[in-house]
Amino acid sequence: AQSVTQLGSHVSVSEGALVLLRCNYSSSVPPYLFWYVQYPNQGLQLLLKYTSAATLVKGINGFEAEFKKSETSFHLTKPSAHMSDAAEYFCAVSKTNDYKLSFGAGTTVTVRA
Amino acid sequence: DTEVTQTPKHLVMGMTNKKSLKCEQHMGHRAMYWYKQKAKKPPELMFVYSYEKLSINESVPSRFSPECPNSSLLNLHLHALQPEDSALYLCASSQDHRLLDTQYFGPGTRLTVL
Repeated sequence: AQSVTQLGSHVSVSEGALVLLRCNYSSSVPPYLFWYVQYPNQGLQLLLKYTSAATLVKGINGFEAEFKKSETSFHLTKPSAHMSDAAEYFCAVSKTNDYKLSFGAGTTVTVRA
Repeated sequence: DTEVTQTPKHLVMGMTNKKSLKCEQHMGHRAMYWYKQKAKKPPELMFVYSYEKLSINESVPSRFSPECPNSSLLNLHLHALQPEDSALYLCASSQDHRLLDTQYFGPGTRLTVL
């Protein structure tokens, strides 16, 4: 079964500092990988997705993620945190052309002024 | 327009009540989803509709009854719910149920069962 592990349930960063959110997947074959963000009292918004076209994926709001098969990782980064980045972030995985997203437990990001 | 709308935003109901949640999208998407999300947890898939037909039921109790009247609308009928059913209910849609297509989520309905 596909699964993802998000390391760190809570990350606190200073405004302007690097944001790094860790995600590792377990899969016998490279899956499709996603990062979603959920702002308070809102639904989920797709930040970016990996579908094997390129290992470095750029998303919205300055986020990017790198797929590393050797490490089975898909970590999310943003060079400079903004107060508006405070939210819940979910890593998710799916098999090829499968309806079901398997979400990680989520990481809460707080940004200090 | 990439918006999925959900009504109501908040709903409080007793265990004997019957209520419905509504979801609407006008993006021409043919796959629609219901998720349940408890506080501080990831969303859990409940149902998938593909081309207005129920494709997937993730072993959801019968007190939850989905309905897809047309390609733009998705309802979730609620009856005899339990307090543990209190959660955020999210609707999503995508071009097709294949996940290469982005799922667009609505803002959710916050349900409280008394």
